[in-house]
Amino acid sequence: EVKLVESGGGLVQPGRSLKLSCAASRFNFNDYWMGWVRQAPGKGLEWIGEINKDSSTKKYNPSLKDKFSISRDNAQNTLYLQMNKLGSEDTAIYYCAREEVGVDYWGQGVMVTVSS
Amino acid sequence: NVLPQSPSTMAASPGEKVTITCHATSSGIYMNWHQQKSGTSPKLWIYDTSKLASGVPDRFSGSGSGTSYFLTINAMETEDAATYYCQQCCGTPPITFGSGTKLEIK
Repeated sequence: EVKLVESGGGLVQPGRSLKLSCAASRFNFNDYWMGWVRQAPGKGLEWIGEINKDSSTKKYNPSLKDKFSISRDNAQNTLYLQMNKLGSEDTAIYYCAREEVGVDYWGQGVMVTVSS
Repeated sequence: NVLPQSPSTMAASPGEKVTITCHATSSGIYMNWHQQKSGTSPKLWIYDTSKLASGVPDRFSGSGSGTSYFLTINAMETEDAATYYCQQCCGTPPITFGSGTKLEIK
């Protein structure tokens, strides 16, 4: 079955940057759009953005402005999320997601805590 | 950018019929549903309005059209207690989630 494993989370100070990774396996990574979704503690799911198969198209949640940047390395079957100028409101579990007319598979998630 | 879902919280007895409603922002979109149990990542549960994901019991069903969509459980079971999120695809923005419905067992 599809496997998505996020890494790179942890405690980060306000204003700093952080880059998350998602290692994909057990499917042909090159054939799928990929995305990121986050969930603040006790809250609902929030779509961050997505990237197409060859990285030529990236779309983001307009509510999140320019905080995030998504990239991928098809040779390494890895998806990335660059997060900049983090604030306490960015404290959340970040999920990597495979997209096939919406999300069809989720990673286990990685926690990011923004605090001084 | 959150789709309204109702109810936000509910409790059902074993064997009871359950219906959750989700309102899309536009018509002509795909509607999926995801189940999330406490402390775990979500799972795709229903896709393209009415198709059950692999392994989903057939007491679940999805329906709807236009801007109103429904997840129904024919007869509630203990294992169905979870939070359910609708998820609209292919509008603007491309993906939008619902506000969530927490379903508990009585």
